[in-house]
Amino acid sequence: DQQVKQNSPSLSVQEGRISILNCDYTNSMFDYFLWYKKYPAEGPTFLISISSIKDKNEDGRFTVFLNKSAKHLSLHIVPSQPGDSAVYFCAASAQAGTASKLTFGTGTRLQVTL
Amino acid sequence: GAVVSQHPSRVICKSGTSVKIECRSLDFQATTMFWYRQFPKQSLMLMATSNEGSKATYEQGVEKDKFLINHASLTLSTLTVTSAHPEDSSFYICSASPRGPQPQHFGDGTRLSIL
Repeated sequence: DQQVKQNSPSLSVQEGRISILNCDYTNSMFDYFLWYKKYPAEGPTFLISISSIKDKNEDGRFTVFLNKSAKHLSLHIVPSQPGDSAVYFCAASAQAGTASKLTFGTGTRLQVTL
Repeated sequence: GAVVSQHPSRVICKSGTSVKIECRSLDFQATTMFWYRQFPKQSLMLMATSNEGSKATYEQGVEKDKFLINHASLTLSTLTVTSAHPEDSSFYICSASPRGPQPQHFGDGTRLSIL
């Protein structure tokens, strides 16, 4: 049972444009959501997170939007840069604290082209 | 930022060998660390939660006698894959988070290849 889903396995975006990565979840107990970026043979790197009490969190070029009623979140990257090319994982946890286990989506491979 | 170090980065060994992987939090203390496994082109799957000073909590389907976890200090957790077989070949990653509202930070992973 995949509780966190990233339905787009890949996405190609032109440099300078907006990248939008989507994530859906089914467990209504999830209250903390994170996005990680991952390169091959490396561990995930934390990008941005959002608590369920918010619907938007912004950090530089990265913005995460949360729609609790739809159980949907998205990551916007503006403007996209070639260095953003990587696999992006959405993750969720079911406890307010962060020392709790994460459930990951299957990832979306982003390719930013020149 | 919080740094998690994992060692070794790559292991190639014969079937039947036991392999130990270390996960260290370099600049913070972590009472809880997590061990994940990732198969090619798949998601990270949580294997177990490592608790300092107590037994690890394993996810359903993960053999605790196969994957031994020791969290002897607030900065070190180890995962030992006992009597490894080719089907244990995978990418193993640990994570930890500082206390308070902090995200989990991951090590760079260990690529385990059993011949």
